[in-house]
Amino acid sequence: ENVLTQSPGTLSLSPGEGVTLSCRASQSVTSKYLAWYQQRPGQAPRLLIFGASHRAAGIPDRFSGSGSGTDFTLTISRLEPEDFAVYYCQQYGRSSSHSFGQGTKLEIK
Amino acid sequence: EVQVIQSGADVGKPGASVRISCKITGYTFTDLYIHWVQQAPGKGLEWVGLFDPNNDETEYSARFQGRVAMTADTSMDTAYLELINMRSEDTAVYYCAAAPPLEWLSSTLDYWGQGTPILVSA
Repeated sequence: ENVLTQSPGTLSLSPGEGVTLSCRASQSVTSKYLAWYQQRPGQAPRLLIFGASHRAAGIPDRFSGSGSGTDFTLTISRLEPEDFAVYYCQQYGRSSSHSFGQGTKLEIK
Repeated sequence: EVQVIQSGADVGKPGASVRISCKITGYTFTDLYIHWVQQAPGKGLEWVGLFDPNNDETEYSARFQGRVAMTADTSMDTAYLELINMRSEDTAVYYCAAAPPLEWLSSTLDYWGQGTPILVSA
């Protein structure tokens, strides 16, 4: 089983700051099978990034994804108030069981 | 515009079963994979499984194998998740999500429903 581990668990930041979230896999993940989701409080998740680095439709360009192998990152260049949420990475290849990481919470400092 | 509309909150007793529905509009139902995701109170996302309405093929997470059943009624563009022989730890919000296939039994989760809270309580 390929386990995704996200770090840190929680980050306290201010609007306007930049941030990089980490997602590390216990075994190599094919880049095209790595996605990031955002979940705001009380809402359903939404797809941000697919294929490790491709923004989903309607996602602002302050969100960017990168990485390969076992290490992937989600970067938010300038935090807006609506970006304070929980972020999950997910692998979605056939053999991965579409598993999620445990999430990273961004909170306002 | 694609919409994913789930049934409302439900309560079931331990050992009972409940069924959640998920209706898709704005997209050809059989051109989508339907995923189900569990979120226990205060916890993260856990993938339950995937259903292909085109041929009724399923892929279940090992944790949920035998404890859930995924089906669909293509005439109604609606997918279903049945929770079988429920336990207290099945108390959670269950999300339905859909996306076109990337490859066999694999896709992202592009379109999400609003979630269905399920409470298991005697």
